[in-house]
Amino acid sequence: GESVGLHLPTLSVQEGDNSIINCAYSNSASDYFIWYKQESGKGPQFIIDIRSNMDKRQGQRVTVLLNKTVKHLSLQIAATQPGDSAVYFCAEKGSGNTPLVFGKGTRLSVIA
Amino acid sequence: DAGVIQSPRHEVTEMGQEVTLRCKPISGHNSLFWYRQTMMRGLELLIYFNNNVPIDDSGMPEDRFSAKMPNASFSTLKIQPSEPRDSAVYFCASSSVTDTQYFGPGTRLTVL
Repeated sequence: GESVGLHLPTLSVQEGDNSIINCAYSNSASDYFIWYKQESGKGPQFIIDIRSNMDKRQGQRVTVLLNKTVKHLSLQIAATQPGDSAVYFCAEKGSGNTPLVFGKGTRLSVIA
Repeated sequence: DAGVIQSPRHEVTEMGQEVTLRCKPISGHNSLFWYRQTMMRGLELLIYFNNNVPIDDSGMPEDRFSAKMPNASFSTLKIQPSEPRDSAVYFCASSSVTDTQYFGPGTRLTVL
């Protein structure tokens, strides 16, 4: 197997604590942003999205914050649970018929 | 609701053999995406279709790879001949006009 791969940033949090996963995006013209969660052996799963006319959006236990000035996106997970352990990807998209552009991902490890 | 369906879930083949991966998008979605994920390179977009028409295949690594979408409910990704470096997890995703992509469970391909 491969012994060298992408070095994913890793965030370790205690169960019950809040998690904040950050993402810097590249295209100032991007107007749609999305967070995915990928558990081992599964496909990326949609968590939450936000459009550029908003700076905050909340879901169940998750909040996405968008700072267009510094091209920064964050995902906040409240009361982190062991089931939240996964790799989290941010993605951005420009207007029109353009595909999502994915970040490299952050591994979240929840310590019980 | 049925999500994106991919088959097979696992494929083991020998170098030089033809491999065909299959995808059924979510009904009503008009865009379909093929991705490849490896430890070394992360998640890569190979090709995407809009209304069954290939829009951008610049991510297809070489001529050994081809993709078709004969109708709105079916797409194939073919590798001929396959090589060990093609070993990866291949994901299909689909989206509607809302831009949110929904991923299938993936096909884990191993080329010996």
